[in-house]
Amino acid sequence: ETGVTQSPTHLIKTRGQQVTLRCSSQSGHNTVSWYQQALGQGPQFIFQYYREEENGRGNFPPRFSGLQFPNYSSELNVNALELDDSALYLCASSIQDRPGQPQHFGDGTRLSIL
Amino acid sequence: SQKIEQNSEALNIQEGKTATLTCNYTNYSPAYLQWYRQDPGRGPVFLLLIRENEKEKRKERLKVTFDTTLKQSLFHITASQPADSATYLCALFSGGYQKVTFGTGTKLQVIP
Repeated sequence: ETGVTQSPTHLIKTRGQQVTLRCSSQSGHNTVSWYQQALGQGPQFIFQYYREEENGRGNFPPRFSGLQFPNYSSELNVNALELDDSALYLCASSIQDRPGQPQHFGDGTRLSIL
Repeated sequence: SQKIEQNSEALNIQEGKTATLTCNYTNYSPAYLQWYRQDPGRGPVFLLLIRENEKEKRKERLKVTFDTTLKQSLFHITASQPADSATYLCALFSGGYQKVTFGTGTKLQVIP
């Protein structure tokens, strides 16, 4: 069973640029969630996708957007990057056949904004 | 406003002892609570789920309690080992699938 994989592992961008992060869900999982984790903090929920539609969103501005593809892989796009966007971005997949199902996380993409 | 608090400082315990980690929440009515382990440079790994109508859950050396009156969950690791050293996160679920809130985590260090 293949776990959740994210790419790239590290990325350096400058303010104002745009970035796309990618996630490949665990086999058989139909839901993907994205989180932002600042150093020393817990993951903050960005949004969730279920069957290719956004299913819920945290307190993040519209410049954070996403996609889920038919094979359940996913992208996180961030436009007009700001210094505060520097963080670890985590993707988690799950099976949403009932609420509260365990989430399976990738090891994240470390994004640094200069 | 909604708030989740975990022990803000690192917890150091001797090998073989029981580690107890706390997750307190306010202005929240979670239907489910989960505990995760996170090692440096890695994503969180799911450990246990407990539902609002359950008082206690166990898995091997792990035990979780959930008190909706006190608005608190306790996470216990018995017979702790140095390999248990990691950051432990609690996560609260409410409002169906999409509303997930993580605590800031507690760093546990088990000393040989």
